[in-house]
Order: sequence, then C-alpha cells, then structure tokens
Amino acid sequence: GAVVSQHPSRVICKSGTSVKIECRSLDFQATTMFWYRQFPKKSLMLMATSNEGSKATYEQGVEKDKFLINHASLTLSTLTVTSAHPEDSSFYICSARGTSGAETQYFGPGTRLLVL
Amino acid sequence: GQNIDQPTEMTATEGAIVQINCTYQTSGFNGLFWYQQHAGEAPTFLSYNVLDGLEEKGRFSSFLSRSKGYSYLLLKELQMKDSASYLCAVMDSNYQLIWGAGTKLIIKP
Repeated sequence: GAVVSQHPSRVICKSGTSVKIECRSLDFQATTMFWYRQFPKKSLMLMATSNEGSKATYEQGVEKDKFLINHASLTLSTLTVTSAHPEDSSFYICSARGTSGAETQYFGPGTRLLVL
Repeated sequence: GQNIDQPTEMTATEGAIVQINCTYQTSGFNGLFWYQQHAGEAPTFLSYNVLDGLEEKGRFSSFLSRSKGYSYLLLKELQMKDSASYLCAVMDSNYQLIWGAGTKLIIKP
C-alpha cells in the first residue's frame, strides 16, 4: 500500500531557531501534499496544500512566511517552521495524494515539535 | 510490522446503522482515533479511545478492545451527509500515528 514517511519523528529546538520537517511518499508519486497541525483536542487543522513545482496554498490564518513549504519533487515536500516559538509546539502531520487524481490521501506518522 | 486494517468500502441505507471495524497491530498503544473525511476536505475529528469500552457521542459511537486490537465506529440513523471516508489511526508507543487506508462509506436513499 501507499506509504508516507516523515522525518524527524520528534524534534526539540530552542525558541528562535528554524526546524525543517520532511514528508516523503515512499512508493508512489504525490502531485499534492497537505500539511496539518493536530491540536490537543485531536482536531486536525489544514495548514496548507502544496502541489509539486508550484507555490503552496495556505489556509486563512496560517502565516506563509513562518511556515515555509516546498514541494520540489513528486515524492518530497518540506515544512520549515521559521523562528519557532513555544506556541508552535505541536504535532505536524502530512498527507499525500497520488497522481491518479483520486481523492484518497495517505497520512504520515506525524512529527512532534517542542519549542523551548 | 505495524498495520491497521479497515474495510475499503461499505454501503448502507439512509436511516440504518452501520459499523466500521478497525483492527490494529502496533508497537505499543497510546490511543485510537477516528476521523471523517469528505472528498476534497480535511479530516474532522470524531473520537479518541484510550481505554476499553464504548464512547457515545450523539449518532456516533466508538468502541475499543485493547486486548483484541480492535475498534469499531458505529453510526446510527444514517444521513446522506454521512457519505465520506472514515479513517482509523493508532498512536504507538513512540507517539507516532499509524493510519488505516480509510473506509469509504456510501449511503443510499
């Protein structure tokens, strides 16, 4: 089946530093990747949608200069949290949709970010 | 290896009851989630079970048996708007989410 990986699985960083999270589709090509943030009440908030080779589309209220998204290839998207603050501490989850155009998204295992 | 199994697709009738099963094998367990996802939209959180038993929330209920590695989502009084994919996910001992492939639920009038 379709597998999506994320790296790192967890990261602790100091306030003010930048953190890059990678999302890879391991056995399929993903034209579209999605980045979510999971809040303590378990809800997933869509942050942005990225299409390979084009700029990401950010949801309302998500700062694009703070959460930089790059989708450089059909198997890799990265989310960089710039100048991280403690309130950015969260669980970040990516998902990927294949080239077939079907609506099925395959989710990654998530990255737990703790900003001190 | 770790895996989550749930049926690929189910069909039910409006007004009826449907049960979507999820079985899992993971390294450790820190809770099981159910999400609903309509086509083209982000998943919405339905339930979180970490202890055995049934959690009821309106028309939706979720059941967990940790000893059996089994959960189900029960939807009552089905409505057409319940047509969606239902995702089962388990958080393992490393607090990583292991996702099922989702069950596409089709509701017929």
